[in-house]
Amino acid sequence: NAGVMQNPRHLVRRRGQEARLRCSPMKGHSHVYWYRQLPEEGLKFMVYLQKENIIDESGMPKERFSAEFPKEGPSILRIQQVVRGDSAAYFCASSPQEEAFFGQGTRLTVV
Amino acid sequence: QQQVKQSPQSLIVQKGGISIINCAYENTAFDYFPWYQQFPGKGPALLIAIRPDVSEKKEGRFTISFNKSAKQFSLHIMDSQPGDSATYFCAASRGGATNKLIFGTGTLLAVQP
Repeated sequence: NAGVMQNPRHLVRRRGQEARLRCSPMKGHSHVYWYRQLPEEGLKFMVYLQKENIIDESGMPKERFSAEFPKEGPSILRIQQVVRGDSAAYFCASSPQEEAFFGQGTRLTVV
Repeated sequence: QQQVKQSPQSLIVQKGGISIINCAYENTAFDYFPWYQQFPGKGPALLIAIRPDVSEKKEGRFTISFNKSAKQFSLHIMDSQPGDSATYFCAASRGGATNKLIFGTGTLLAVQP
């Protein structure tokens, strides 16, 4: 059973471009969470999704950020018009019920 | 009320010693308290977790102590090894998990040989 798969592992974007981060949860897991980790800080919750539904997006910035988890395919975290402050590691976690299993993360660098 | 406060920020322990990391929370609705281990460039990995109905949980060299009245919990790593050198995060969630986890700020542990 493969773990939570995230791609790309590293992503470089120029200011103003769009960033798309993908997450495939572990087989059988229907809950997906996205977290952001700034350098030297802990992980901050962004959004919680189930298939085709956003359950909790209380941690998502109001503008430029969106997330989806379609019926088929991976969950996508999309950041439009990236700014330097978006540079961070973005982690996806999936869960069957209680334990959360994290992917390796996508390290976004905005130049 | 949503914060989880973690200390120390960094910790140096000799091989074979005991590493102790502490966390405190405010929100009494939290009912799930996991600890995660993160190596550089990797995602966090679940180490051990506890619910407030027990005061201690042990798995191998890792023990969580939980003090409900003080709203504090701690991770003890017995017989610390250089391979334990990593960043450790405590976290908390409520409502039966499904897991909006609130993380502490992390403790960078270095175990010296």
